[in-house]
Amino acid sequence: GQNIDQPTEMTATEGAIVQINCTYQTSGFNGLFWYQQHAGEAPTFLSYNVLDGLEEKGRFSSFLSRSKGYSYLLLKELQMKDSASYLCAVSDSGAGSYQLTFGKGTKLSVIP
Amino acid sequence: DTEVTQTPKHLVMGMTNKKSLKCEQHMGHRAMYWYKQKAKKPPELMFVYSYEKLSINESVPSRFSPECPNSSLLNLHLHALQPEDSALYLCASSQDTSSSYEQYFGPGTRLTVT
Repeated sequence: GQNIDQPTEMTATEGAIVQINCTYQTSGFNGLFWYQQHAGEAPTFLSYNVLDGLEEKGRFSSFLSRSKGYSYLLLKELQMKDSASYLCAVSDSGAGSYQLTFGKGTKLSVIP
Repeated sequence: DTEVTQTPKHLVMGMTNKKSLKCEQHMGHRAMYWYKQKAKKPPELMFVYSYEKLSINESVPSRFSPECPNSSLLNLHLHALQPEDSALYLCASSQDTSSSYEQYFGPGTRLTVT
């Protein structure tokens, strides 16, 4: 089975930096995805890490440590539109094909 | 075109009704997925189709019946649902299931069972 843990809610100020952590325990690990989901909308892809280290994409960066079962999503220069849920999802091949298991999501509120 | 479309956007049905949800993608993806998402919860995987064959059924009740008529289309047939089945139903697609490919999600169908 899998266990994915991330904080339920976070609040940050516009223009600031926020880090959303995700820890996981899984067998057959094949990468970790971060998705953004605005209320009532579909999840949209933000980043993918399969090797240790930092992946940077504009204002968003994602880090992975496989030995620690740990990832974080870093959002810089926060904007009001970044208020959303951020889902950590682990890819594994335990069932013979690759599939995603999502964490419960972190609801980020950006305040002026 | 990186779009996954779903119809209808909203659906209200009684417990004795039969209805279908539809999903379409034209990205040439060979894997398609159905997820169920309750409010303030993460998406839960229901079914996976790989090359038009059902590869994963996550112990979903038989009142949900998936169908993949061709590589671009995915349906979810609903019959005799319960009020607790009310949720957002998300369709997604990816290149295939042989590796960790990004999944593209459709906008979802908001289902209410009365």
